[in-house]
Parts: sequence; structure tokens; C-alpha cells
Amino acid sequence: EVQLVESGGGLVQPGGSLRLSCAASGFTFSDYWMTWVRQAPGKGLEWVAIMNQDGSEIYYVDSVRGRFTISRDDAKNSVYLQMNSLRAEDTAVYHCVRGSGFILDYWGQGTLVTVSS
Amino acid sequence: DIVMTQSPDSLAVSLGERATINCKSSQSVLSSSNKKNYFAWFQQKPGQPPKLLIRWASTRESGVPDRFSGSGSGTDFTLTISSLQAEDVAVYYCQQYYAAPITFGGGTKVEIK
Repeated sequence: EVQLVESGGGLVQPGGSLRLSCAASGFTFSDYWMTWVRQAPGKGLEWVAIMNQDGSEIYYVDSVRGRFTISRDDAKNSVYLQMNSLRAEDTAVYHCVRGSGFILDYWGQGTLVTVSS
Repeated sequence: DIVMTQSPDSLAVSLGERATINCKSSQSVLSSSNKKNYFAWFQQKPGQPPKLLIRWASTRESGVPDRFSGSGSGTDFTLTISSLQAEDVAVYYCQQYYAAPITFGGGTKVEIK
């Protein structure tokens, strides 16, 4: 069974940093792209970042480029999202998602990030 | 960026009746090389993460009931629930994966009338 478990969310002040982690199991992690998608409270889905198997292709939504960094550790079956210079508008549930290319086929439950003073 | 526009924002349908959701992309998501539409539908029930229902515009995922069907090509797509069941109450999102940035529609909330 595919499982994706996010952690690392919490309350942070504007301008602060957080690092989200996602532990994957139930599939061969190194075979897949990995993605982060966020959902602000009561709102729709916004794709944030995606990374291919060897890190040679990485894409970000414009609103986070230069502030967020996606990375992965295949030895730990994990993907990460380093978030710097956080803003109130980054407040959301962040979902870790497995990708078959850009097809987002399995989603984690998500971790809540709240940016507030 | 490819903008995805869903309609309606919400709809209420009687149990057993048909529900139809539309999605329009601001540019074609049909690949000229492989003739595939890079388009998907998701279902999100309250308190749950989204679930992939349909990829390539019309290919149902394993385990998805056949009352769900996707159609369309190019820029115009439709998700049809042929006979609405109580467990289908959810928000439905369309998504294009033709090009980065990946983009989603705003969502359609389906309720029971």
C-alpha cells in the first residue's frame, strides 16, 4: 500500500523558515517524481513544486520560486520542502504527492503550516 | 500558465440522477505527438486528501466506479457521474499536466438535493 506521511508543519512568524518532510513507503521511491501541493484553509489546490527521480528536473510555482526548495533522499525514501521567507499567504495544508511524471497519483494527508505573528 | 476554469462552482443533484461538471483550459492540453490529453480529475471528500479519479481525460483509475466518466479533448472537458450516490458528495477538481506550472481548476462542490 502506498503511504505518504508528512511532518514538520506548525506555526511560524512571517519571515521565518520551516522544513517539511514526507516519508514514503509501499513503492519504489526512486522510480517516481515527487511533488508538493498546498491547500489554503477552505480554498482550492495549488501546486507548489515538483522534482524528478534524479533531481535534474525541478519546477516551482512563481509565488515560491527563490524562497522554497524541494529535495529528496532516496536512501531515506523521503522528500523535503525547505520554506524560507514565509508569508501569511503561504498558510495552507501542504500535501506530499507521488508523481508518475506530472500525473499526481497518490496524496498524503498533509501537514498544516500557519504563518502568523 | 494554463488557466483551468471549472463550472459550475457547486451543484445539487438528487440521488440516482446525473451530475455533470465542466472544465475549460486556456490552451489545448492535447499532445500532437501522442494524441493524448494531459488532463485529470480528482475527488476530495471532507477531511481527506484529493484522490485521482481519471487521467488522460477519460481513463478511470483502478477501483473507481464506472458511474464516473471523463470526456472531452483539447480545451473542453467533462466529468459525468451517471447516477449520483451519497458517497459521491465531494469537491471535484480538474487539473492539467501538459506543462509546468501544473494547474488546477477552482473546484466544483457536489451535494445531494
